[in-house]
Amino acid sequence: DTGVSQNPRHKITKRGQNVTFRCDPISEHNRLYWYRQTLGQGPEFLTYFQNEAQLEKSRLLSDRFSAERPKGSFSTLEIQRTEQGDSAMYLCASSRGTGNQPQHFGDGTRLSIL
Amino acid sequence: GQNIDQPTEMTATEGAIVQINCTYQTSGFNGLFWYQQHAGEAPTFLSYNVLDGLEEKGRFSSFLSRSKGYSYLLLKELQMKDSASYLCAVRGMHASGGSYIPTFGRGTSLIVHP
Repeated sequence: DTGVSQNPRHKITKRGQNVTFRCDPISEHNRLYWYRQTLGQGPEFLTYFQNEAQLEKSRLLSDRFSAERPKGSFSTLEIQRTEQGDSAMYLCASSRGTGNQPQHFGDGTRLSIL
Repeated sequence: GQNIDQPTEMTATEGAIVQINCTYQTSGFNGLFWYQQHAGEAPTFLSYNVLDGLEEKGRFSSFLSRSKGYSYLLLKELQMKDSASYLCAVRGMHASGGSYIPTFGRGTSLIVHP
């Protein structure tokens, strides 16, 4: 169990640029979640995959955000035309397929928009 | 939708006991998790409750009352290293796809002083 891996750890970019983050979940976990967290707040749900299927997406998520999990293993989160308000920590979590299994979180990607 | 409420901040003395409360309103409740998050780090799992009652795990215990929409995390024999944010997360039914998604409260920042 090598844990959930996210990269890059930090991303600094100019407003208007596109960014892509990667998440490698724990290998036997079929559930994968993306959250966004800002200072002093809890993680805010963005989207959820079960295997390769994207089953849930937050209504708060603008169409500039897209996520994929092409083979049911790693996942990518892309933000197009970044805005100042996108600055946050982006957390990925994975869990096994039964309901009472906790989420295991990666260390996150911190995005800063200049 | 889900609504989760926790106190923003609490302080306690080393060696003491502290209780962190969480109240929630959710559609289709299917479990409540507590996580610990140190500054700049990922959340780590502490406890899970799905039935009413108390779950004890070492110095940490968690209680759930589904009828009251209420949970608490009890930390005994506080240590300085327990200074962290404590996140309550409720698995409720997501509005769009019907999956059960953990939704987090804003977290309670616990400060333990000598």
